Amino acid sequence: EVQLVETGGGLIQPGGSLRLSCVASGFTVNSYYMSWVRQAPGKGLEWVSIIYPNNSTYYADSVKGRFTISRDNSKNTLYLQMNTLRAEDTAVFYCGRNLMVQGVTYFDQWGQGTLVTVSS
Amino acid sequence: SSELTQDPAVSVALGQTVRITCQGDSLRSYYASWYQQKPGQAPVLVIYGKDKRPSGIPDRLSGSSSGNTASLTITGAQAEDEADYYCNSRATSSHHLGVFGGGTKLTVL
Repeated sequence: EVQLVETGGGLIQPGGSLRLSCVASGFTVNSYYMSWVRQAPGKGLEWVSIIYPNNSTYYADSVKGRFTISRDNSKNTLYLQMNTLRAEDTAVFYCGRNLMVQGVTYFDQWGQGTLVTVSS
Repeated sequence: SSELTQDPAVSVALGQTVRITCQGDSLRSYYASWYQQKPGQAPVLVIYGKDKRPSGIPDRLSGSSSGNTASLTITGAQAEDEADYYCNSRATSSHHLGVFGGGTKLTVL
């Protein structure tokens, strides 16, 4: 069974750092496109970052230079290192497995999410 | 504002048919995928590609596309269909990160 489990969220002060983890089971993360998506309280979904099987990484403008996506193949885990956090980064963060069909990348599996709250 | 535009809210009477739409320039060239999200839960993929449904998604949900508009149609809406629905497709501003619509809250009356 395919499963994604995120951990690492919590309350952090503005300017602080946090690392989210997403442990995958039932498949290997290095064989798929993998992403992080966030959802601010009461708001819609925002695609934050993606990592390709060839290790290329891409980011939304809102997090570029502050967030880093990576993976550890030996632990079958996806990470999101978040630095210089701002109040507007407060959100539930989901990891997702991506498939690409006819030029469109979609999410066929999602984790349950982990809440990040940036507040003093 | 999002590159994909959805109506914020739509309602449907129990057992009736409802169409949820998503508009954007990228939809002229690329399919949308659709996600259902219930309160406190992660999104779930319900439609991708040209009207494909993952295993376990009821066939009363279907997808279509015309011009710059993608649609999710629920034929014979059930109480359990009440949820937020998000479309997703390729962004015009990025070849790597896609974009989500703002979401449509579906109420089943």
